Amino acid sequence: DGGITQSPKYLFRKEGQNVTLSCEQNLNHDAMYWYRQDPGQGLRLIYYSQIVNDFQKGDIAEGYSVSREKKESFPLTVTSAQKNPTAFYLCASSTARRYTEAFFGQGTRLTVV
Amino acid sequence: RKEVEQDPGPFNVPEGATVAFNCTYSNSASQSFFWYRQDCRKEPKLLMSVYSSGNEDGRFTAQLNRASQYISLLIRDSKLSDSATYLCVVNPNNDMRFGAGTRLTVKP
Repeated sequence: DGGITQSPKYLFRKEGQNVTLSCEQNLNHDAMYWYRQDPGQGLRLIYYSQIVNDFQKGDIAEGYSVSREKKESFPLTVTSAQKNPTAFYLCASSTARRYTEAFFGQGTRLTVV
Repeated sequence: RKEVEQDPGPFNVPEGATVAFNCTYSNSASQSFFWYRQDCRKEPKLLMSVYSSGNEDGRFTAQLNRASQYISLLIRDSKLSDSATYLCVVNPNNDMRFGAGTRLTVKP
């Protein structure tokens, strides 16, 4: 089945450790996105990529890094520089054509203790 | 100013009520607009796209006002199953910007 897969669903890490969240899609989409959602809040854009080997910062990129070496994959690293990393992280993809919607993975809940 | 702003909510309405949500956006060059629905602790899912001429899908009607830079969502004959958070999305530069969401609770 075509879709977006995020793994793991739940992730616990100690403070000060870097952690990488996986996002894979088999929809042949060019664009991919990472969002952060805090309880009771909307989605804030961390990074996005419209094509392989290229990505742009969103509104809250500090403390995060990404790579886009393959069309199917857009991993997000939460570094120790991120002051408050505990959140729900959502990955999405789209065709990057102007009027098409984004499809989401099921998300990763990261808890830093 | 935020790229996308929504009614803060929450909206608590009885079954059968009509409820409307508004959303304003700051980038006048934005070309595509969407409404998503998000259930508690789940990923957002597309409810409907918003077209320039307005569009309807059953009980749901979306409108776009480019001059005033806002989009709206009207839900008629609310059902208990409509309880969720509704997110408006604006796509100015292929960067899919979300509003903070409006929470709707439909009560029996």
